[in-house]
Amino acid sequence: KQEVTQIPAALSVPEGENLVLNCSFTDSAIYNLQWFRQDPGKGLTSLLLIQSSQREQTSGRLNASLDKSSGRSTLYIAASQPGDSATYLCAVPSQSGNQFYFGTGTSLTVIP
Amino acid sequence: GAVVSQHPSWVICKSGTSVKIECRSLDFQATTMFWYRQFPKQSLMLMATSNEGSKATYEQGVEKDKFLINHASLTLSTLTVTSAHPEDSSFYICSATTGTATQPQHFGDGTRLSIL
Repeated sequence: KQEVTQIPAALSVPEGENLVLNCSFTDSAIYNLQWFRQDPGKGLTSLLLIQSSQREQTSGRLNASLDKSSGRSTLYIAASQPGDSATYLCAVPSQSGNQFYFGTGTSLTVIP
Repeated sequence: GAVVSQHPSWVICKSGTSVKIECRSLDFQATTMFWYRQFPKQSLMLMATSNEGSKATYEQGVEKDKFLINHASLTLSTLTVTSAHPEDSSFYICSATTGTATQPQHFGDGTRLSIL
């Protein structure tokens, strides 16, 4: 069974800092990896999706990288803002496509 | 694009009541919808997978008679919590995709269920 872990579990940084969130998965045979953001009491907002053939994806201040062989993905947030405060989740689908494995999440707080 | 609407967003009801939660894909046809449960400060736990026109596939430990799932059309899936009790209180989230879980997942805003 795929296991997805995120480090750190919580992170607090001053506004303006660049930061990196980590995601690791045990089974490297993945189709893709998706990063989500969840605000308190809300659903998930998709940030980036990286296909297995890709190395990275960028959207604005966000950059996600994928290293399948080592079972890792990182989400880089440049020039962090208080509005970036949220929980960030990574997730990968199962090989059969009938399951979606979520990471444990990183709770980010950006201090003004 | 790819908007998923979940309704209601918050429900408070008495123990023994049955509660229905709707998940709609507004601008795409969702072949597959997933239902999750989330406890405070924890990640999402998959409850069941529903494919349009088929019976839902439930994860181990999830009571299918307790959590009834219907996916009658390509744009609507419903989760009914039957005879709800306080231990059923949780945050329920649906996601929808045009194919399997290998396709991008689009999530609803969740439903907070509180059983008194």
